Amino acid sequence: QVQLVESGGGVVQPGKSLRLSCAASGFNFNNYGIHWVRQAPGKGLEWVAVIWPDGSNKDYADSVKGRFTISRDNSKNTLTLQMNSLTAEDTAVYHCVRDSMLVGHHFDHWGQGTLVIVSS
Amino acid sequence: DIQMTQSPSSLSASVGDRVTITCRASQGISNYLAWYQQKPGKVPTLLIYAASTLQSGVPSRFSGSGSGTDFTLTISSLQPEDVATYYCQKYNGAFTWTFGQGTKVEIK
Repeated sequence: QVQLVESGGGVVQPGKSLRLSCAASGFNFNNYGIHWVRQAPGKGLEWVAVIWPDGSNKDYADSVKGRFTISRDNSKNTLTLQMNSLTAEDTAVYHCVRDSMLVGHHFDHWGQGTLVIVSS
Repeated sequence: DIQMTQSPSSLSASVGDRVTITCRASQGISNYLAWYQQKPGKVPTLLIYAASTLQSGVPSRFSGSGSGTDFTLTISSLQPEDVATYYCQKYNGAFTWTFGQGTKVEIK
């Protein structure tokens, strides 16, 4: 079955960097766009970034543009989110999410998430 | 950017009630709208996509409708296991997506 397993979360000081990873299995990773979606404690869902199947297209929410970088390694079925210049507002659970690749591009599988806490 | 306004932000209803949640876009978005359910402490799951298509395995008491700017998620007969927060989501095109603010559904 489709599995998305995130790792790399933790406590980090403001201004520092953190790298999240997502290991995918159970589907042909090369054929799917993958997103990062985050949820701050007690808050709603926020789309963060996307990378298309071949890595040719990427985009970011305005709130992270210029600070976060999404990448993928299709040979290893892994996704990465490099997060720089972190602030308290980046504190959240970060989910790796599969794009359905159907019209409308809804999100059909979610990982359990990894918690990032930005605090001094 | 297209804004999504979801209402109500919360509701309390009795078991067996019909529950309706709405999502309004600031401009027309065709039917590129999905609904997700997030039970307490759990990961969101896809309920409905393309405004009205039920995801496999989702109970038939859930339904979606609408197009353009106004969309609705309906639970025809609320069950205790439906306690959750529900989110609408749209694809903006040009590789960006937006979620509604969420609607928390509780049992009265």
